[in-house]
Amino acid sequence: AQSVTQLGSHVSVSEGALVLLRCNYSSSVPPYLFWYVQYPNQGLQLLLKYTSAATLVKGINGFEAEFKKSETSFHLTKPSAHMSDAAEYFCAVSSSNDYKLSFGAGTTVTVRA
Amino acid sequence: NAGVTQTPKFRVLKTGQSMTLLCAQDMNHEYMYWYRQDPGMGLRLIHYSVGEGTTAKGEVPDGYNVSRLKKQNFLLGLESAAPSQTSVYFCASSSTGLHEQFFGPGTRLTVL
Repeated sequence: AQSVTQLGSHVSVSEGALVLLRCNYSSSVPPYLFWYVQYPNQGLQLLLKYTSAATLVKGINGFEAEFKKSETSFHLTKPSAHMSDAAEYFCAVSSSNDYKLSFGAGTTVTVRA
Repeated sequence: NAGVTQTPKFRVLKTGQSMTLLCAQDMNHEYMYWYRQDPGMGLRLIHYSVGEGTTAKGEVPDGYNVSRLKKQNFLLGLESAAPSQTSVYFCASSSTGLHEQFFGPGTRLTVL
């Protein structure tokens, strides 16, 4: 079984500031990890994924995430927030022997001008 | 390619009514999923399918039924709607060998 914990249900940042969204997972087998973004009234869009290759993963829109096995973490960062980054972000995990995804509760990002 | 589409986009039901939500994908994906999204709870898996003619229960299957008669379609049914089923429903699909899922735009369902 696997599970995901996202620390902080709401994050507020200033435009141009660092965005840091935290995700910790539990999995009994090597995980596949994902970050999805959901803009208002839309479906989920894949930002990036970790599938056992490089531990630092680059995604769309300037986001990246680092897989740290020792910390069971997969935190999402963006060096400089833009107003268009305001959305809800979900961390998700699956395992090598299961295609089902387990999602975190989500983190809503607000960007202040 | 349209990707994953969902019908309808919005629906209001009265308690006890039934309805079917339709999901269609044009990517020839083997796997399809139905989720519900509620505030503060992320997405929870209702039912899923690993191929045409097969379905399985997810995390929150009670009160829902599904069918996958064609590879490209995955139907979610509510036989007797309850206010607790007020939610946003998302369909997703994925390909064999790839764990990333592609999502539809969602259906917002209100049960009065």
